[in-house]
Amino acid sequence: DGGITQSPKYLFRKEGQNVTLSCEQNLNHDAMYWYRQDPGQGLRLIYYSQIVNDFQKGDIAEGYSVSREKKESFPLTVTSAQKNPTAFYLCASSIDSGQGIYEQYFGPGTRLTVT
Amino acid sequence: ILNVEQSPQSLHVQEGDSTNFTCSFPSSNFYALHWYRWETAKSPEALFVMTLNGDEKKKGRISATLNTKEGYSYLYIKGSQPEDSATYLCAPSRGGGNKLTFGTGTQLKVEL
Repeated sequence: DGGITQSPKYLFRKEGQNVTLSCEQNLNHDAMYWYRQDPGQGLRLIYYSQIVNDFQKGDIAEGYSVSREKKESFPLTVTSAQKNPTAFYLCASSIDSGQGIYEQYFGPGTRLTVT
Repeated sequence: ILNVEQSPQSLHVQEGDSTNFTCSFPSSNFYALHWYRWETAKSPEALFVMTLNGDEKKKGRISATLNTKEGYSYLYIKGSQPEDSATYLCAPSRGGGNKLTFGTGTQLKVEL
């Protein structure tokens, strides 16, 4: 089955530790995205990548880093510099369905708790 | 950052009721408008994508309209069923088209 996997579903870390969230897709999509959701807020874009070895900052990139060494994988590292890392993180991928329209497909998410 | 507003924030309806929600967004530099449905414990899934002013899309009992000149879209559900219970998200894209800005969503609960 084609899809997007994120692991783990729940992740717990101590404050001051970096943590990497996994996102893998087998949809052969070029573009991948990381979003964060907090209570009462919409999904906010952290980073996105339109092609391998290239990525851009989204609206809230501070305290995060990404890499895109393979088309299938777009891991997100939450660094100790991120002031409020506890949140629900969603990964997505997309492909141009025609005329520059990119429909995004989402993974199941990872809930990160930092104490 | 684009300002995308959805109303109402939450909605409780009875089975069989028809309902509608609103998504408002800046009309400048508009490219496309996406609607997603997000059920609890599942991933958001795409419902519609619309690009042209006056566009209407329909999938079963759910339909959507788009007004790009005034910057809004309506989502309608006819004869709501419990399985329609979910959060409905809208997300306009701007410029190049693959960067979406999501609203906070409308949480719908359909009761028997």
